[in-house]
Amino acid sequence: NAGVTQTPKFQVLKTGQSMTLQCAQDMNHNSMYWYRQDPGMGLRLIYYSASEGTTDKGEVPNGYNVSRLNKREFSLRLESAAPSQTSVYFCASSEVRGPYEQYFGPGTRLTVT
Amino acid sequence: SQQGEEDPQALSIQEGENATMNCSYKTSINNLQWYRQNSGRGLVHLILIRSNEREKHSGRLRVTLDTSKKSSSLLITASRAADTASYFCATASGGSYIPTFGRGTSLIVHP
Repeated sequence: NAGVTQTPKFQVLKTGQSMTLQCAQDMNHNSMYWYRQDPGMGLRLIYYSASEGTTDKGEVPNGYNVSRLNKREFSLRLESAAPSQTSVYFCASSEVRGPYEQYFGPGTRLTVT
Repeated sequence: SQQGEEDPQALSIQEGENATMNCSYKTSINNLQWYRQNSGRGLVHLILIRSNEREKHSGRLRVTLDTSKKSSSLLITASRAADTASYFCATASGGSYIPTFGRGTSLIVHP
């Protein structure tokens, strides 16, 4: 099992450009999440999807959109990138009804210039 | 907003010593989890303790939970250089199963 995979691993964007971060999991989990991690800030939840067909905002959703393509895949889109979106982005998955531990992907390091 | 806050922010010890890090939180929780993150990698789940549990063990890890003090501690016994990583606590509260992460403790274990 690959677990949670993310692409790309690294990306550099110019301000105003758009891009989509891809995430897939092969553990048959219902819930998927997108976090961003900034120095000294821990992980902050951007969006999550409790199950296929549903998405909800997290703590820091502004400037992002998501799509739960199917049970396996959950993508994060930046429509018009800003320097404040420079961060490391992590996708995670888990079950809803327990056990509640989250499984994380390796991350995407995004720089917006 | 962070629910759990880890303390200390950074910890440096010698191989073979024990490492203790703490997590304090503000509101009642359903469960508390500890995760490890090696440099440049994703987080890895270590252990989950439910609000009605006081202590759990997993290998060299011991987690305690004191709901009256709204705090938890993670003890790593006989630490190894490979334990060098950041450690995060994550709490779920209310009707939510989604954990909120703290800022983490950076642990360095010197060989």
